[in-house]
Amino acid sequence: GAGVSQSPSNKVTEKGKDVELRCDPISGHTALYWYRQSLGQGLEFLIYFQGNSAPDKSGLPSDRFSAERTGGSVSTLTIQRTQQEDSAVYLCASSLVAGGLTEAFFGQGTRLTVV
Amino acid sequence: QQQVKQSPQSLIVQKGGISIINCAYENTAFDYFPWYQQFPGKGPALLIAIRPDVSEKKEGRFTISFNKSAKQFSLHIMDSQPGDSATYFCAVGFGNEKLTFGTGTRLTIIP
Repeated sequence: GAGVSQSPSNKVTEKGKDVELRCDPISGHTALYWYRQSLGQGLEFLIYFQGNSAPDKSGLPSDRFSAERTGGSVSTLTIQRTQQEDSAVYLCASSLVAGGLTEAFFGQGTRLTVV
Repeated sequence: QQQVKQSPQSLIVQKGGISIINCAYENTAFDYFPWYQQFPGKGPALLIAIRPDVSEKKEGRFTISFNKSAKQFSLHIMDSQPGDSATYFCAVGFGNEKLTFGTGTRLTIIP
């Protein structure tokens, strides 16, 4: 695709359920980020994948959150036993080489609502 | 430790005025300083970026001013328009390290 694609665009789930959010980065982009953005707030870093290096998981808020990136392309962010405070927009971004060198392109986000 | 500090948190400017948003950073290793613009319901998008070998970069009404010795950089929006109303994020990066974003500035341009 031409840009970063995220699915679903909206997700409503019941408290305690698990959810999976998907990110399709721009083809050939080696760096991939996940961010969380609460209503009207800033970008909260979650996890960063760069090529074959071990991911930077320093932003994951709890062990209920995990992410993987298969084959250096598609990434899935999984939230287990969702809580109401997990409600937010989850943004994925990718860049060609690495964040310090080239533009990061963002997807439209997945709006997660936990009821 | 917060690697980049952005101010102000919110800003209201009259149409035609100059909007100025500031960011300060700590690590002198940073060598990439972009600004992102985000409209409601959309992901952030790159607006303009600068590298430390120049002190200023201008693209249309948008200018980045960079002060390496002070470890500060700012975004200036000249002749601000209502369509510029958005949230602006500065960021810093270098090498293979992830981009680190500021906390954002909500800009409102009033007629």
